[in-house]
Amino acid sequence: GESVGLHLPTLSVQEGDNSIINCAYSNSASDYFIWYKQESGKGPQFIIDIRSNMDKRQGQRVTVLLNKTVKHLSLQIAATQPGDSAVYFCAEIYNQGGKLIFGQGTELSVKP
Amino acid sequence: GAGVSQSPSNKVTEKGKDVELRCDPISGHTALYWYRQSLGQGLEFLIYFQGNSAPDKSGLPSDRFSAERTGGSVSTLTIQRTQQEDSAVYLCASSPEDTIYFGEGSWLTVV
Repeated sequence: GESVGLHLPTLSVQEGDNSIINCAYSNSASDYFIWYKQESGKGPQFIIDIRSNMDKRQGQRVTVLLNKTVKHLSLQIAATQPGDSAVYFCAEIYNQGGKLIFGQGTELSVKP
Repeated sequence: GAGVSQSPSNKVTEKGKDVELRCDPISGHTALYWYRQSLGQGLEFLIYFQGNSAPDKSGLPSDRFSAERTGGSVSTLTIQRTQQEDSAVYLCASSPEDTIYFGEGSWLTVV
């Protein structure tokens, strides 16, 4: 099956700093993207989504940027807190309503 | 309940035994997904149900794996003749249209 089976990259930030997590997606026809947060021992938790007709979307403390030209997504977390420590995954759907394909996760570590 | 519910939360089984994992999606969600996640790894797509359409089974790793969704709601993932490499977390997710919500997973250990 399709999967991500790689050693996770890590990002270490100081509490209060802003974090930027990057993701390259695979299919230029993808029309919907989601960022998930996964804490140890738990299922992925929805953070924010964006459609392909947008290039930016903001939530509470989080912003997702979409660059379709280079097939790149980023998740920005403002004023990072220790509770933000987790693995973050981007995911894409192509053929709207189709299966969700996950990208490589990034482990975020927040130092107090 | 309000979220996707999975059972059992933990299962230890002997190699060669069959296991069934259950998923109760969020009420009204037409789409249901199964994923597998090995320790420290990403999420591997297994199967996808959408309404009354034929399921997308393209991610099932072998014919030992199968899944059903009865009445457009509850789904069961069955693994026959389990192998040690089947040890993983099996995650179920459901969706009303686009946003996809995950359960907490069923942790399977094959000994």
